Amino acid sequence: EPEVTQTPSHQVTQMGQEVILRCVPISNHLYFYWYRQILGQKVEFLVSFYNNEISEKSEIFDDQFSVERPDGSNFTLKIRSTKLEDSAMYFCASSERYSTHEQFFGPGTRLTVL
Amino acid sequence: AQTVTQSQPEMSVQEAETVTLSCTYDTSESDYYLFWYKQPPSRQMILVIRQEAYKQQNATENRFSVNFQKAAKSFSLKISDSQLGDAAMYFCAYRSATSGQNFVFGPGTRLSVLP
Repeated sequence: EPEVTQTPSHQVTQMGQEVILRCVPISNHLYFYWYRQILGQKVEFLVSFYNNEISEKSEIFDDQFSVERPDGSNFTLKIRSTKLEDSAMYFCASSERYSTHEQFFGPGTRLTVL
Repeated sequence: AQTVTQSQPEMSVQEAETVTLSCTYDTSESDYYLFWYKQPPSRQMILVIRQEAYKQQNATENRFSVNFQKAAKSFSLKISDSQLGDAAMYFCAYRSATSGQNFVFGPGTRLSVLP
């Protein structure tokens, strides 16, 4: 069964460094999402992406964040200058079309900012 | 803005018994979708069950069923004949049918299944 995959599973970085989290959505899906979960807190929406542009973003998704679909398979989240409070689990998700209610989630990347 | 509340941070159930996980939400919208996602340890979230707000009939998927009370804004999950593999974090989630695609998640309930 097709799955959303994410790499790396765990990323450790120094404060101020740039990180890129990678996701491979399910191949026939058109909508892509990033969520994050700070330890002990709820899963929060960051951004949705469709047709090579951001369709929606939350207030968390500030200028330090960007997303890209550099080729036909990858979907990336870049954090330009990481802060301690960016430490969290980052989940990628994809859905087949807007009217499809289910989003399929990846296993997540645990980002630790030191 | 919509919010989702899960008042039970942790629950436990004996194998083969039934357990109900609570979820309430707050919205001013009339058309929306509700979901229960399961997240086993070190695994990704998978959809357990979903409910369209316009449907009065409660959704059922094998051993999983919901009690959807639209007026009360309540959406509980019942797991019957609990199995060891049901042990996981369970998230209740809300998605608008009209304004945006993102999910609003509750804080989760950690379910333990005791042999």
